Amino acid sequence: AQKVTQAQTEISVVEKEDVTLDCVYETRDTTYYLFWYKQPPSGELVFLIRRNSFDEQNEISGRYSWNFQKSTSSFNFTITASQVVDSAVYFCALSEAENNFNKFYFGSGTKLNVKP
Amino acid sequence: ETGVTQTPRHLVMGMTNKKSLKCEQHLGHNAMYWYKQSAKKPLELMFVYNFKEQTENNSVPSRFSPECPNSSHLFLHLHTLQPEDSALYLCASRGTSGGAMVWEQYFGPGTRLTVT
Repeated sequence: AQKVTQAQTEISVVEKEDVTLDCVYETRDTTYYLFWYKQPPSGELVFLIRRNSFDEQNEISGRYSWNFQKSTSSFNFTITASQVVDSAVYFCALSEAENNFNKFYFGSGTKLNVKP
Repeated sequence: ETGVTQTPRHLVMGMTNKKSLKCEQHLGHNAMYWYKQSAKKPLELMFVYNFKEQTENNSVPSRFSPECPNSSHLFLHLHTLQPEDSALYLCASRGTSGGAMVWEQYFGPGTRLTVT
């Protein structure tokens, strides 16, 4: 079974629309970290945010916001007023205390297309 | 600039060639990773090194041989590859930096490998 599931393979929106990328994770650990990464066409994965399992406070950074809910094992990412530059593949990832946080489990990614 | 560099950025090699990929991190981290990213496939973890010791080998074929001479450098030696090995190879690092723990991975730009 996949530890991190990103059910949305590809999403297309028109500029200025809001869009939410879903991430569902699975772990038996009580201590873990969740991450979001952005991979633009250039290929490099860019770190966006980290959340630890003890901090369910939602976070907002500019047009980006993240909703962490342990009850549903979800860590969703919302882009408000999307822009063409947001077009990329977005990955959700998990690391666990069980292996000293050294091993990362990545979802299969969601490709976001923002059209002008 | 994320502090992780990879060379070469592009590589074309024949199945009988021997080549090496290089990764260098300037972030003072102690853990380094190799990932393979094929078209339309999730990120595949290949190897993990922690303080120069290999801690993870994800059933990678022996035609891929990693080397980690120190915590800042990581190599992936390639020989007798197959066309299905064509992919983007990504290096990442994380760990302690200046006494503080860095929980997220930082990625290099990747090497786009084509095996002919």
